[in-house]
Amino acid sequence: RKEVEQDPGPFNVPEGATVAFNCTYSNSASQSFFWYRQDCRKEPKLLMSVYSSGNEDGRFTAQLNRASQYISLLIRDSKLSDSATYLCVVNIGGSNYKLTFGKGTLLTVNP
Amino acid sequence: DAGITQSPRHKVTETGTPVTLRCHQTENHRYMYWYRQDPEHGLRLIHYSYGVKDTDKGEVSDGYSVSRSKTEDFLLTLESATSSQTSVYFCATMTGVEAFFGQGTRLTVV
Repeated sequence: RKEVEQDPGPFNVPEGATVAFNCTYSNSASQSFFWYRQDCRKEPKLLMSVYSSGNEDGRFTAQLNRASQYISLLIRDSKLSDSATYLCVVNIGGSNYKLTFGKGTLLTVNP
Repeated sequence: DAGITQSPRHKVTETGTPVTLRCHQTENHRYMYWYRQDPEHGLRLIHYSYGVKDTDKGEVSDGYSVSRSKTEDFLLTLESATSSQTSVYFCATMTGVEAFFGQGTRLTVV
């Protein structure tokens, strides 16, 4: 089982749609969780951290379920500019920070 | 942006030749990483560093070595390039909360 697994996608949605991405992780000792965004042929950039209590940033909502080892990202009112690959990222923690990435889910928002 | 520069940005090399990729950061971050990104595998950690001269292997370290003689520079060497090492290579630094990536190096081994 891979350490971080995501919906394979791709997702094609119309502008204004709500879209949800799911991610599971295998290591129960994982300590911190993130969603990164990667535009085509660009480097990944942090979209948002994911907290146990859930967190929201504008149209984006991230949730964490430690018991099920599950992370989600919800995008409401999709914009054309949301088209990108979304990467689920887990930090197992300990003294050396090592991020493990899911393979990513490609989102295309259509006009 | 975290001031991470990778060089070269693009390189074509022949099988069997050594290749060195350079990562330079201006933020004085302690942690630095080399990842490779392939369509079928996503981003995978090659090597990482947690301080000057302190490095460790990631999940795909075979055929790669690294060196970090200064805080700001982290070098990745392909000792004898193979076609399976054709990939996009990303350097990253990390604070306790966020990783910052360089723009990537597209390496083709022919």
